[in-house]
Amino acid sequence: SQQGEEDPQALSIQEGENATMNCSYKTSINNLQWYRQNSGRGLVHLILIRSNEREKHSGRLRVTLDTSKKSSSLLITASRAADTASYFCATDYPNNAGNMLTFGGGTRLMVKP
Amino acid sequence: AAGVIQSPRHLIKEKRETATLKCYPIPRHDTVYWYQQGPGQDPQFLISFYEKMQSDKGSIPDRFSAQQFSDYHSELNMSSLELGDSALYFCASSLWRAANEQFFGPGTRLTVL
Repeated sequence: SQQGEEDPQALSIQEGENATMNCSYKTSINNLQWYRQNSGRGLVHLILIRSNEREKHSGRLRVTLDTSKKSSSLLITASRAADTASYFCATDYPNNAGNMLTFGGGTRLMVKP
Repeated sequence: AAGVIQSPRHLIKEKRETATLKCYPIPRHDTVYWYQQGPGQDPQFLISFYEKMQSDKGSIPDRFSAQQFSDYHSELNMSSLELGDSALYFCASSLWRAANEQFFGPGTRLTVL
């Protein structure tokens, strides 16, 4: 079954540094999305990139998608302590009538002030 | 803007009891999804509904059932609860025609003792 996997599992950086998280998946997708989750809280949608897109920006976020490698990266620039959270990628794929999302393992990001 | 509402936010049950979780989608959203997130794990898709019909089914145990009502709200019924059912249960909603854009509720934290 298709599943996103993320690396690193945990990342600790200083405020102001950039954070890069990667996600890989196994089968063809329609879209890939990144979500953020503060400890034990809800999932907040960050950005969606479609399978025919290669790069997308939103504020301090930059997402890339390489469908040939079945991978995506999320870059957070000029990180802040408030960016501390878990970040998940989620994919949906063709021929899935219900459009269920398949989540990756998540990267726990800690930004130290 | 109105978001997805889930109730209750926290629920404590004993083993073998039953639980009902409720989800109220964003107004005009016709599709709801249920996800389960165990401690330290990524969210796993359980089931989804569109126009009161089940549209997709994931790793939902036979002890669980769900339905969507005419006002599009959904309920997840869980019977014969087990310790392993302790998790965060998320509901998400979307428009069927934009199913890749799922908006998540804050989750219900179920603890089974």
